[in-house]
Amino acid sequence: KAGVTQTPRYLIKTRGQQVTLSCSPISGHRSVSWYQQTPGQGLQFLFEYFSETQRNKGNFPGRFSGRQFSNSRSEMNVSTLELGDSALYLCASSLANRGNEQFFGPGTRLTVL
Amino acid sequence: GNSVTQMEGPVTLSEEAFLTINCTYTATGYPSLFWYVQYPGEGLQLLLKATKADDKGSNKGFEATYRKETTSFHLEKGSVQVSDSAVYFCALSESGGSYIPTFGRGTSLIVHP
Repeated sequence: KAGVTQTPRYLIKTRGQQVTLSCSPISGHRSVSWYQQTPGQGLQFLFEYFSETQRNKGNFPGRFSGRQFSNSRSEMNVSTLELGDSALYLCASSLANRGNEQFFGPGTRLTVL
Repeated sequence: GNSVTQMEGPVTLSEEAFLTINCTYTATGYPSLFWYVQYPGEGLQLLLKATKADDKGSNKGFEATYRKETTSFHLEKGSVQVSDSAVYFCALSESGGSYIPTFGRGTSLIVHP
């Protein structure tokens, strides 16, 4: 079974631009979560989508948004990029039940200049 | 709210040394507990899990026991290898409400030959 894939793997943008990251979950997984990982803040939860609906949301500004398609693929968008948005963005899919693990993709490394 | 506290890193060991990474948690219900590992340049992957008190999770020589009385889930390995060098994350997932995992800050392990 193919794992979680994320594209692109690396991205360089400048302040003020916007960016879209893509995530394809494991087949059969309907829940997709996004995380931001930085050395200073660790792993922070952005949001979770289940059956095309945002079900949970972390404490991030409205510049961060996402969506999920009918095939469970998900995208996240960051508008008006700031230097502090430089991070590794991780996507994880799961079967969305208690005790079930999350399966992570390799991440997209975003650098904002 | 829920929280996970891990020991600060980095933890530096020689090959074949004994490893302990401490993890304690705060939760309102009866969570499932997880250890994830992140190798350089990769996303997180599940190392082991335990879903109820006194359960022991084990994988690849690592083990951790769910201790409800001390709210702990310490990770141990009897003899570490250089290939175990990675960042280890302790996490919990609640039974009710949002099951989105709460992660610790991660503990970096460096194993020298």
